[in-house]
Amino acid sequence: SQKIEQNSEALNIQEGKTATLTCNYTNYSPAYLQWYRQDPGRGPVFLLLIRENEKEKRKERLKVTFDTTLKQSLFHITASQPADSATYLCALDRRGSTLGRLYFGRGTQLTVWP
Amino acid sequence: DAGVTQSPTHLIKTRGQQVTLRCSPKSGHDTVSWYQQALGQGPQFIFQYYEEEERQRGNFPDRFSGHQFPNYSSELNVNALLLGDSALYLCASSFRTGSKNIQYFGAGTRLSVL
Repeated sequence: SQKIEQNSEALNIQEGKTATLTCNYTNYSPAYLQWYRQDPGRGPVFLLLIRENEKEKRKERLKVTFDTTLKQSLFHITASQPADSATYLCALDRRGSTLGRLYFGRGTQLTVWP
Repeated sequence: DAGVTQSPTHLIKTRGQQVTLRCSPKSGHDTVSWYQQALGQGPQFIFQYYEEEERQRGNFPDRFSGHQFPNYSSELNVNALLLGDSALYLCASSFRTGSKNIQYFGAGTRLSVL
């Protein structure tokens, strides 16, 4: 069956350190992989998108990698801040059919402490 | 520029009742998707509407139905509510012919079924 796994339910790190979140998938062939941030009581907010033929993407303190051989994406937040505390969701886009649904992992709750 | 708006924000219903949730997409967007997010889980795709028709559907029973209006707004209807329908219901909008399937989410409607 198809599965998307995010490394752990919770990750706690100290301010200033780099947070690394993992997204592993099986039985998918995603054309795109996306990362979203979700704060309590709010909807997910898009952060970054990486295509299957891209190895790495950066945006300010964020970096995402995509290894289609390992079926894994890593999401890094450098110089983390308490304001980065949130749940981070990875989502796969199985393009090839019509533009549409995203397949989400259950998310990793990140807490950055001072 | 208003983002995705959903109403109501919270709703309490009893088993067997029916509920209607509403969504207005982000300005310029023509596609609306609905997701169900149970506590501690990632969003699960319910269905997607484009040009007033259901284009894709996830693994949800026929009790879940929807509609899209000419102004692109959308409704999600759930009949014969079950306790397990308690969740955060998220509406996401996108632009159909965009090259990236980036979803813009509303804050959601929290449905509690007693």
